[in-house]
Amino acid sequence: EAAVTQSPRSKVAVTGGKVTLSCHQTNNHDYMYWYRQDTGHGLRLIHYSYVADSTEKGDIPDGYKASRPSQENFSLILELASLSQTAVYFCASSDKRAGERLFFGHGTKLSVL
Amino acid sequence: GQGVEQPAKLMSVEGTFARVNCTYSTSGFNGLSWYQQREGQAPVFLSYVVLDGLKDSGHFSTFLSRSNGYSYLLLTELQIKDSASYLCAVRDGSSGNKLIFGIGTLLSVKP
Repeated sequence: EAAVTQSPRSKVAVTGGKVTLSCHQTNNHDYMYWYRQDTGHGLRLIHYSYVADSTEKGDIPDGYKASRPSQENFSLILELASLSQTAVYFCASSDKRAGERLFFGHGTKLSVL
Repeated sequence: GQGVEQPAKLMSVEGTFARVNCTYSTSGFNGLSWYQQREGQAPVFLSYVVLDGLKDSGHFSTFLSRSNGYSYLLLTELQIKDSASYLCAVRDGSSGNKLIFGIGTLLSVKP
């Protein structure tokens, strides 16, 4: 079964601090994504990548950076965390951009205080 | 405007059925997916449709009408464990195949 693992499972950060969320996939998929989920909103795309060493902006990239050092790994970086970035973050992978099916990680609950 | 709309909540009774509706408005259409998300867990893929009509997958069936921008997910013989959020997601072919998610419908199945 395809697997996407995220770390940490939960994180408490201080305003202005740096946060790195990590994602690892064993699906051999080219595409990886970072989404955030907030009550009252659908999943919203922050950044995505279709090849190692390259990332693309999604719909809400402001305040976030992404890094794809290898096909298996994709990180989301908050250089200066803010209260508004409190949310659940999901990493996902798919085998092509228009892939029918996304495989999601279990999510990271981030609280910025 | 462009978007995917779903009712926020739905309630049904064990042993009966539930229909989760989804309407969408996009410039292009390249398929629609349904995901199940249990509380505190990751979304899990259920179904993908790109052609009009009903797609029967046993416990779950999916209907699509592209001309009306409408889909539904039908769950039959409901069990308590079907209580979850059901997410509708549409591929907008006119914007780089962007996937647009609805807010999800929280289905509560009562005994």
